[in-house]
Amino acid sequence: QSALTQPASVSGSPGQSITISCTGTSSDVGYYNSVSWYQHHPGKGPKFMIYDVSKRPAGVSNRFSGSKSGNTASLTISGLQAEDEADYYCCSYAGSSTFVFGTGTKVTVL
Amino acid sequence: QVQLQESGPGLVKPSETLSLTCSVSGYSISTGFFWGWIRQPPGKALEWIGSLHHGGTIYHNPSLRSRVTISEDTSKNRFSLNLRSLAAADTAVYYCARGGGYTNFFDYWGQGILVTVSS
Repeated sequence: QSALTQPASVSGSPGQSITISCTGTSSDVGYYNSVSWYQHHPGKGPKFMIYDVSKRPAGVSNRFSGSKSGNTASLTISGLQAEDEADYYCCSYAGSSTFVFGTGTKVTVL
Repeated sequence: QVQLQESGPGLVKPSETLSLTCSVSGYSISTGFFWGWIRQPPGKALEWIGSLHHGGTIYHNPSLRSRVTISEDTSKNRFSLNLRSLAAADTAVYYCARGGGYTNFFDYWGQGILVTVSS
């Protein structure tokens, strides 16, 4: 069970859109529509942002959206804001009642 | 509002056993959902450790299964993690969270507790 691959960092200016990729395999991301995304500010618990690839929990801004193509899931943040600066992690169901997280992406708002 | 809070030692010695507890408020763990543990070594990715459901179903990360015990105390609405035979590589921030079972996501998290394994 290897960690899903994410870019180490992504940056953008306020108001821009950025996309974070999350690449797995045909045994996890590519097979199951069970990808979730988490926003993590240092010193706090991660915040649940997206589930089942593209669904938003109540209370999460519609500036956050998720998608998937093949073995790669993506999180897009539109209208980037200073408060979006954080680490972001993807997670996928990996079969046999197990879960695997991504390597994490640091988002910087320029 | 569901809230989770980890508690336990911040420093443990190599070869010893780590015992952490997650206290839950705002939801009874015996009502439903899975309840899990996730950790993050310094500078590394999050790693799912395992999840428990009231009634006895427990799922484990295969790489940690042999060293992990997850249990519940419904009378105190909390669940626990025991990790045996500690090594320096087990140094991490440990989080408890709701999820990791049939919901396939983790919707509420604790703030995390840093555990350092060192003599």
